Amino acid sequence: AQSVAQPEDQVNVAEGNPLTVKCTYSVSGNPYLFWYVQYPNRGLQFLLKYITGDNLVKGSYGFEAEFNKSQTSFHLKKPSALVSDSALYFCAVRVANSGYSTLTFGKGTMLLVSP
Amino acid sequence: ETGVTQSPTHLIKTRGQQVTLRCSSQSGHNTVSWYQQALGQGPQFIFQYYREEENGRGNFPPRFSGLQFPNYSSELNVNALELDDSALYLCASSLPTVKNTEAFFGQGTRLTVV
Repeated sequence: AQSVAQPEDQVNVAEGNPLTVKCTYSVSGNPYLFWYVQYPNRGLQFLLKYITGDNLVKGSYGFEAEFNKSQTSFHLKKPSALVSDSALYFCAVRVANSGYSTLTFGKGTMLLVSP
Repeated sequence: ETGVTQSPTHLIKTRGQQVTLRCSSQSGHNTVSWYQQALGQGPQFIFQYYREEENGRGNFPPRFSGLQFPNYSSELNVNALELDDSALYLCASSLPTVKNTEAFFGQGTRLTVV
């Protein structure tokens, strides 16, 4: 079965420091990977995706993610964290089925950025 | 904002009742998916509609049903509500079943079953 794992329930970082939110995946074939962010009482907002090409993907709000095929990882990164980055982050993989495809999500990682 | 709108934003129902949740998809998107997000969990796929037909379903019982209309808006219906149905229900619209396309989510409907 295709899946993603987010090993950390919560990540704490001080404002201005770099942040990393981890994600590993298990898929057959080529992975199509996504990061979404969820603010309190809101839906999911798309941040970035990896389809093919460069292993470093740049997305919204200064976020980027590094695809590592050998380690089956797709970690989310930002060079300098902001307090406003505090939110719930989800890694997802697009799964192909018979005639349709869906997103399979990890459990989410809460990012807390302290002033 | 994504252009995907859901209504209502919050809803309280009694166990055994029925509920209908609504979703308007982003312009140009003819594929709508519904997800259930229980507290502390990632979203779980319920089903997907493409051109007014259900073309995929997750591990949810038949009392979860849906519709898609000619304008690509969609409804999620849940019959015989159970306490465990309490969750955030998310609608996502996307281009047709293409792997490399992202889905755009609405703000969700928070359903509480008492």
